Amino acid sequence: GQNIDQPTEMTATEGAIVQINCTYQTSGFNGLFWYQQHAGEAPTFLSYNVLDGLEEKGRFSSFLSRSKGYSYLLLKELQMKDSASYLCAVGSSNDYKLSFGAGTTVTVRA
Amino acid sequence: GAVVSQHPSWVICKSGTSVKIECRSLDFQATTMFWYRQFPKQSLMLMATSNEGSKATYEQGVEKDKFLINHASLTLSTLTVTSAHPEDSSFYICSARVPGTGYTYEQYFGPGTRLTVT
Repeated sequence: GQNIDQPTEMTATEGAIVQINCTYQTSGFNGLFWYQQHAGEAPTFLSYNVLDGLEEKGRFSSFLSRSKGYSYLLLKELQMKDSASYLCAVGSSNDYKLSFGAGTTVTVRA
Repeated sequence: GAVVSQHPSWVICKSGTSVKIECRSLDFQATTMFWYRQFPKQSLMLMATSNEGSKATYEQGVEKDKFLINHASLTLSTLTVTSAHPEDSSFYICSARVPGTGYTYEQYFGPGTRLTVT
């Protein structure tokens, strides 16, 4: 099974940087995914890491260390619209399933 | 890009009745669809994997006789909540996997269905 942990809530100021950490324990790993979910809406894909290192995509970056079972999502130049829940998910190597963490609610304040 | 729709977007039903939720892949054929349930301020919990032309695979603890899944075509999967109770009130989200891709992230999520059982 999968055990995925991430902080419940984070608050940051507009224009600042926020880092959301995610640790996982898994039996079969096929990538670490980050999704953004606004209240009442479906998740939208942000990033995917399968090898160690940093993946940068505009204002969002994601990092993975497989040996440590650790990932983070870095949000730069925060905007009000970035206020949302951010879900860490682990892909299974045995099938095509995703296991989600509980999500981190990020609140951006002016 | 791949688009997944769900219908209805929200539904209110009385306790004891059944509700059907549809999940459609609009511009691609999905051999595999997934059904999730999300309670307020909690994460997505996978309920079942729906495979076209075969029986769904349910996660541990999910009652297959209560949550009926039918994947009759490559673009449509349905979830029927039978004999609904207030504790079944939740946000139900489906996702569809684009066939032939090697990465699990090639899943596209529908907009979700808010079910309220009174």
